[in-house]
Amino acid sequence: AQSVTQLGSHVSVSEGALVLLRCNYSSSVPPYLFWYVQYPNQGLQLLLKYTTGATLVKGINGFEAEFKKSETSFHLTKPSAHMSDAAEYFCAVSRSGGTSYGKLTFGQGTILTVHP
Amino acid sequence: NAGVTQTPKFQVLKTGQSMTLQCAQDMNHNSMYWYRQDPGMGLRLIYYSASEGTTDKGEVPNGYNVSRLNKREFSLRLESAAPSQTSVYFCASSGDGYYEQYFGPGTRLTVT
Repeated sequence: AQSVTQLGSHVSVSEGALVLLRCNYSSSVPPYLFWYVQYPNQGLQLLLKYTTGATLVKGINGFEAEFKKSETSFHLTKPSAHMSDAAEYFCAVSRSGGTSYGKLTFGQGTILTVHP
Repeated sequence: NAGVTQTPKFQVLKTGQSMTLQCAQDMNHNSMYWYRQDPGMGLRLIYYSASEGTTDKGEVPNGYNVSRLNKREFSLRLESAAPSQTSVYFCASSGDGYYEQYFGPGTRLTVT
């Protein structure tokens, strides 16, 4: 079975500061990894994904994440936070094959607050 | 191109009432999913449909039924609503390939 752990249910940063949201996963096969963002009262929007190839992936709105197999991590970063980044962020993992084809397992979510 | 649409956006039910949540996608995706979102628990998969004509249980299927009406539409039915089913429900779809899912705007359901 696969699982996702997001460290910290709430993260607070100042505008212009580094954003770091942590995600660790467990998977018995090579995973596909995703970060989604959810703004208040909206659905989830894909920020970025890792499938194969380059381990540093860039997404929308200046976010990026690095797949580190040895650490089973996929942390999300942004060099300089903006007020508009305030939202809830979800890390998710999918198996690359087998009977769990296509099914995502989500972490519990991290609420990002950005202070002026 | 509307993506994934859900109806209704809001619903209040009394315990024991039934209702169907509707979902449709216009991206020609094979797979569709129903999730519920509760505070601090992320999204949990209720049912999914890997292709037209097939449905399978997810992590929390009890109290729900689904119908994959055609390739576009995937409905979720609550036969006898309970307060524990108060939640936000999301429908999603995905095509072939790397399984990224596209989400609808959600249905906020309250059961009193």
